[in-house]
Amino acid sequence: EMVMTQSPATLSVSPGERATLSCRASQSVSTNLAWYQQKPGQAPRLLIYDASTRATGIPAWFSGSGSETEFTLTISSLQSEDFAVYYCQQYNNWPLTFGPGTKVDIK
Amino acid sequence: EVQLLESGGGLVQPGGSLRLSCAASGFTFNNYAMTWVRQAPGKGLEWVSTISGSGGSTYTADSVKGRFTISRDNSKNTLYLQMNSLRADDTALYYCAKGLHLWVFDYWGQGTLVTVSS
Repeated sequence: EMVMTQSPATLSVSPGERATLSCRASQSVSTNLAWYQQKPGQAPRLLIYDASTRATGIPAWFSGSGSETEFTLTISSLQSEDFAVYYCQQYNNWPLTFGPGTKVDIK
Repeated sequence: EVQLLESGGGLVQPGGSLRLSCAASGFTFNNYAMTWVRQAPGKGLEWVSTISGSGGSTYTADSVKGRFTISRDNSKNTLYLQMNSLRADDTALYYCAKGLHLWVFDYWGQGTLVTVSS
């Protein structure tokens, strides 16, 4: 099974600052990687797929990059509504697997 | 507007069964794969099962294989998850999700809670 790891587990950031979240796959997933945002009490929301394609309606301050085993989600200027947990998900191999999440909280 | 509304969750004893439903609207249901993803209390996301738009192909996590069955009724725009032989570690919020393509999920319901406990 493909193991996804995310770092850091928690990221404390001030509003307006840049946040950089990492996701690593235990073997290559090419660019078959998605990012989701989940706020407390809400369902996950798709942000990025194919490693770097923003989903419909996702603001431009979210960007994704990477390939093979190393991926990054960058939030260029954190807004108050961006404090949440972020999950990566690989879809290159069965079973589909998610990372454990990175919580972005207010510094 | 895409809407996904799950139902059927509840409290069940270990070894019991439940059938979850997900009523879909706002898109052409039979054109899209659908998936169940679960989240144990305070934990991360776990993919459970996916079914193709036609229903002809299904994919299921090993952790539930042989116990859970995904299906769909395209005439009713409804997705199902039949859960048998439930265990305490199946306790979770179960989300249904629409496939952007087969393996990426662009819309999610609000979830239905399944609690397995005696």
